[in-house]
Amino acid sequence: DTEVTQTPKHLVMGMTNKKSLKCEQHMGHRAMYWYKQKAKKPPELMFVYSYEKLSINESVPSRFSPECPNSSLLNLHLHALQPEDSALYLCASSQVPGSYNEQFFGPGTRLTVL
Amino acid sequence: TQLLEQSPQFLSIQEGENLTVYCNSSSVFSSLQWYRQEPGEGPVLLVTVVTGGEVKKLKRLTFQFGDARKDSSLHITAAQPGDTGLYLCAGMNYGGSQGNLIFGKGTKLSVKP
Repeated sequence: DTEVTQTPKHLVMGMTNKKSLKCEQHMGHRAMYWYKQKAKKPPELMFVYSYEKLSINESVPSRFSPECPNSSLLNLHLHALQPEDSALYLCASSQVPGSYNEQFFGPGTRLTVL
Repeated sequence: TQLLEQSPQFLSIQEGENLTVYCNSSSVFSSLQWYRQEPGEGPVLLVTVVTGGEVKKLKRLTFQFGDARKDSSLHITAAQPGDTGLYLCAGMNYGGSQGNLIFGKGTKLSVKP
């Protein structure tokens, strides 16, 4: 099973809303990632969790707040977003962080900020 | 800063034709992954190449990792409309401990019936 699941599939929110994106994997992977992808661009890394600890924050604004409640779950809490934050948000996981470990992506959440 | 130059950016061909997509860098990568992405969906991993000079085949797709692990290619034989999509190469930092993927800008392939 190489499946990473993400919910919701689509999300529309206002700039004053608070919402959360969810990601789940049951492959026993210990590294999980959040990426942001704008149209016609490759994915951009936002956060890396390694063994449930935040190990990389790629200078992401504080209106994005990641959380890793356990080794299978990854959340991204959203608050006071801007229209330019509209994008496809992708979750990925790998066995462990490191040079040889391939990443498996979820289907993404299409976020629209009005 | 490690960069992956992917070419061509766009490719529109007829069903049955062959094509090659290239991914080049001046940096050495410990591994390189190829993904295919449909609009609005997440990238799907096609293959990972690790050893310099390695060749992997997946049905009509052939992937090659350069001897120096700085470049890779994807060759599709007898392309079909179902091959249409965005192809992304992504290299792993050599010696990187956090699993950062360096992505190419992608090749948007359209195969017309």
